[in-house]
This record gives sequence, C-alpha cells and structure tokens, in this order.
Amino acid sequence: GAGVSQSPSNKVTEKGKDVELRCDPISGHTALYWYRQRLGQGLEFLIYFQGNSAPDKSGLPSDRFSAERTGESVSTLTIQRTQQEDSAVYLCASSPDGTDSYNEQFFGPGTRLTVL
Amino acid sequence: GQQVMQIPQYQHVQEGEDFTTYCNSSTTLSNIQWYKQRPGGHPVFLIQLVKSGEVKKQKRLTFQFGEAKKNSSLHITATQTTDVGTYFCAGRVGAGGSYIPTFGRGTSLIVHP
Repeated sequence: GAGVSQSPSNKVTEKGKDVELRCDPISGHTALYWYRQRLGQGLEFLIYFQGNSAPDKSGLPSDRFSAERTGESVSTLTIQRTQQEDSAVYLCASSPDGTDSYNEQFFGPGTRLTVL
Repeated sequence: GQQVMQIPQYQHVQEGEDFTTYCNSSTTLSNIQWYKQRPGGHPVFLIQLVKSGEVKKQKRLTFQFGEAKKNSSLHITATQTTDVGTYFCAGRVGAGGSYIPTFGRGTSLIVHP
C-alpha cells in the first residue's frame, strides 16, 4: 500500500520568507511526528500528534515553527520568517497508534529545505 | 532531559568484517527501536526490543537490550556492501502517555569492498 508521502521534495527559499511543508501519513495511522535532520546529524523531534489529543509541541525550536493536522490525515509544518539555520531535511513519520505496543514509525522521504 | 548516546559515530570496515554499534541511556528505557537510513534515504524500522536482556536476530543482524534496560547494541556479522548506511537507536522513557522516542545521533557504517 501507499507509504507516507511528503511534499515538496525540495524547497529553496529566501531568508525571511514563510514555507509550508506537507505530510500525508499512512491511512489509519493515528500518530504523526515531525523531525528535523541536519546534514550528517540525528533526528531532532519537533512535534507529535496523536488522534484528537492536543499535540505535543515540546520539540519546536521557536515560535516561528508551527504545525497543524486535519483529523487523522494530512499535516502541515509551517516555518515563518525562515533563517539559514532552518536549512535541513524535514521528515514526517506516522505510526499505527503511537502507544507502547504498536509504535513502529514509518517515515516519509522528507523535504529538503534550503534557505538562502 | 533524557539523552540517548550512540557510539561510534562512524565505522569503516572491510567487507566481511563484523560491525557493532552501541546505544546508552542515562535513564531506564521502556523499549528501544532500531532504524536504518541508507545514504540519501529515510529511516526504515528494523526492530523493537522491550524485555530486559532480550536478544533478537534478523539474518546477520543481532539486537540486544541490556539487563538494566539502559543500553542496547546492534551487531552485524560478515558485513556486506548492502549494509552501508546510518543505524539509529531510539529509546523511550517510561510508559503510557505520549510515545515520543529519543533518537541517538546514529552510527554511519562504511563498508569497503
């Protein structure tokens, strides 16, 4: 079946502009995660959605970052007034129910963001 | 906050040699997952360990979870060029509530033919 998809695959923007990144999780997955991965680095947690619960935003690095999710489907990550240090690959992952028993994460291909 | 340390950061091996990456946490983990990321790709789930002292095998890959549930290892026997990539561990503290794992920085495996 279809996996997690993300768009765009690449985004080049100028410093100060806003960008919106999209994630389509696997159908039926209630948990959705956003991560940031800088070149050669590990995964930095940004935000977590679980069903209709309030999202866990504890990983967002600043108030320029925000994310929304429509029900248990598509999610968008918005970065306002982009800075050069925002350049990274933004990965989205979904999980069947985000509990201890069944929390394998399925990752999308990522969006490579370059801020000039 | 919780930290998951992973070593080494890089490992070069000749094809056919063994490889091990280690993951250590400052706190007890409820479970640990391992992912593989090929160059230019995205992380792909390999396995999850839950029980103290658990050992699981997948062909040439052996995964262990420590008795104290604070460390884990991934061992690859007789590496092949297809094993090239970065291996991440991801551990979770506690149980219940939000499942947000903490990822290690990863170990990049380079296999020389």
